[in-house]
Amino acid sequence: GNSVTQMEGPVTLSEEAFLTINCTYTATGYPSLFWYVQYPGEGLQLLLKATKADDKGSNKGFEATYRKKTTSFHLEKGSVQVSDSAVYFCAPHFYNQGGKLIFGQGTELSVKP
Amino acid sequence: DVKVTQSSRYLVKRTGEKVFLECVQDMDHENMFWYRQDPGLGLRLIYFSYDVKMKEKGDIPEGYSVSREKKERFSLILESASTNQTSMYLCASGDPTEAFFGQGTRLTVV
Repeated sequence: GNSVTQMEGPVTLSEEAFLTINCTYTATGYPSLFWYVQYPGEGLQLLLKATKADDKGSNKGFEATYRKKTTSFHLEKGSVQVSDSAVYFCAPHFYNQGGKLIFGQGTELSVKP
Repeated sequence: DVKVTQSSRYLVKRTGEKVFLECVQDMDHENMFWYRQDPGLGLRLIYFSYDVKMKEKGDIPEGYSVSREKKERFSLILESASTNQTSMYLCASGDPTEAFFGQGTRLTVV
């Protein structure tokens, strides 16, 4: 069946460090891929997305590339800030299953000054 | 401004009660979703709907049912609330390019 696996957290980094959060998925088709972010006390917001192989999504300095061969969509940022502290969710969206949207378990990021 | 509105932010119910969680969206989306969010488990899909009166089970449908009589409204029903259903419940609506979330309902069953 379809599933998604994210790197376990929590991840603690110093400000200006490089960030990678791994995400891999299993799927019978080719889903669109999303990263959502949840800041403390808030709901989920779309961070970035990619709809086909080799697409790169980017927003607020974050990037992720749709890798069909490795079924991965790793999130990266070159220099994190304290304000990036949040929980990050990887989410494939399966059109061929009526639009089913599933989420990884979330990775908590804490950035220290 | 797009909106997904959940009827309550906080709810306290007793074991055995029938509980209704309501969600309304104003974006004319066909797809709507209910998730529960628990520490260490992320978001788990309970049910989703891709059209009026259509529903599909997610990964953890047991103990829940849903209703979609109108396109803009998707209700989650706990037929007989139990303490293990204490959680944060999140509603979302979406199209193939994005899903939008409500603020969540924190349900406590005592």
